[in-house]
Amino acid sequence: DAKTTQPTSMDCAEGRAANLPCNHSTISGNEYVYWYRQIHSQGPQYIIHGLKNNETNEMASLIITEDRKSSTLILPHATLRDTAVYYCIVRVDNNAGNMLTFGGGTRLMVKP
Amino acid sequence: GAVVSQHPSWVICKSGTSVKIECRSLDFQATTMFWYRQFPKQSLMLMATSNEGSKATYEQGVEKDKFLINHASLTLSTLTVTSAHPEDSSFYICSARVDRGTYGYTFGSGTRLTVV
Repeated sequence: DAKTTQPTSMDCAEGRAANLPCNHSTISGNEYVYWYRQIHSQGPQYIIHGLKNNETNEMASLIITEDRKSSTLILPHATLRDTAVYYCIVRVDNNAGNMLTFGGGTRLMVKP
Repeated sequence: GAVVSQHPSWVICKSGTSVKIECRSLDFQATTMFWYRQFPKQSLMLMATSNEGSKATYEQGVEKDKFLINHASLTLSTLTVTSAHPEDSSFYICSARVDRGTYGYTFGSGTRLTVV
């Protein structure tokens, strides 16, 4: 699976949009971009994933560049409860039972 | 849907004793489950992959005789830390593939193990 690069930490003001970048320049054509987050002392929580097109759900939006070498997770109105470590993972989406490989992630701190 | 229940959420044990952690898929069948370990301020590290009815596959550097994994049914996988030592103190998390929809993964809430 392709390697990802994320900033170590970011701050965001409560109520503002949080934009979390991820570089995955070696991504291959059949690899999806997944985002998970981990709130302190809990298991990771799925947020969103995509292949080429931008995606939106009730939690966030995912913007993938046209060359697919980078993406941005957008939390439109960050709250204090969004403080967590956010992981960007790229992997092939198949039925082969492959595990998720976690990098360092971005520690997002939402401040009042 | 696609909930994984992990128990216990925390446990304190004495050195030399064994601890069992359970991971159950509540509303789906999990052919494959994954066990991760996470030390403070570090990322999740995969320990092993368990497949129902077969032996687990361990990552390099993980002692299979120390971390016993049993995946006897499609809804239950267990991790037993044998002869625990203080350096085994960590946050253990299980995960299961959800073989429907878009092949997502769901995670348990984690188990904080403290060996004293």
